[in-house]
Amino acid sequence: EPEVTQTPSHQVTQMGQEVILRCVPISNHLYFYWYRQILGQKVEFLVSFYNNEISEKSEIFDDQFSVERPDGSNFTLKIRSTKLEDSAMYFCASSALGGRDIQYFGAGTRLSVL
Amino acid sequence: GESVGLHLPTLSVQEGDNSIINCAYSNSASDYFIWYKQESGKGPQFIIDIRSNMDKRQGQRVTVLLNKTVKHLSLQIAATQPGDSAVYFCAENGRNTPLVFGKGTRLSVIA
Repeated sequence: EPEVTQTPSHQVTQMGQEVILRCVPISNHLYFYWYRQILGQKVEFLVSFYNNEISEKSEIFDDQFSVERPDGSNFTLKIRSTKLEDSAMYFCASSALGGRDIQYFGAGTRLSVL
Repeated sequence: GESVGLHLPTLSVQEGDNSIINCAYSNSASDYFIWYKQESGKGPQFIIDIRSNMDKRQGQRVTVLLNKTVKHLSLQIAATQPGDSAVYFCAENGRNTPLVFGKGTRLSVIA
């Protein structure tokens, strides 16, 4: 069964450093998403992406965050200058049709900012 | 405010019993609802969805009920198995709003 894959599974970084989290969405999907889950809390929407541009973003997704689809398969989330409070699980998701279509999630990247 | 994970609502059921997990949503404009299952160390996994023009939908061993009057959603799992142990999230979606997840319920199945 096709799945969303994310790398790395765990990223440790120093405060102030830049990190790039990588995702390979399901191959025929056109809509891509990033979510964040602080330990033990609910999953929070960060950003959605379609046709090489951001379609929607939350208040969490401020200027230190950016997303990119550098090629035909990868979808990345960059955090420019990490803060302690950025420590969380980051989930990538994709869907074929957007809107009400099912979003399929990857296993996540645990980001630990020291 | 946000609940801390250690205080997630918890439901413990005996293996073979039926489970009912409840969720209240807040946005009356939401018209699409989804239940996700999250096992430890994994991402949310789609279980079942329902649109607002329905009040019940059944899948394999799972049923979702939607009561729009009181903005309440429930997930029923028949003959609960140890593999059903996980955190269950409801999520809501409006026409022009992103997916919003609820706080989650931890289901523990006692063998």
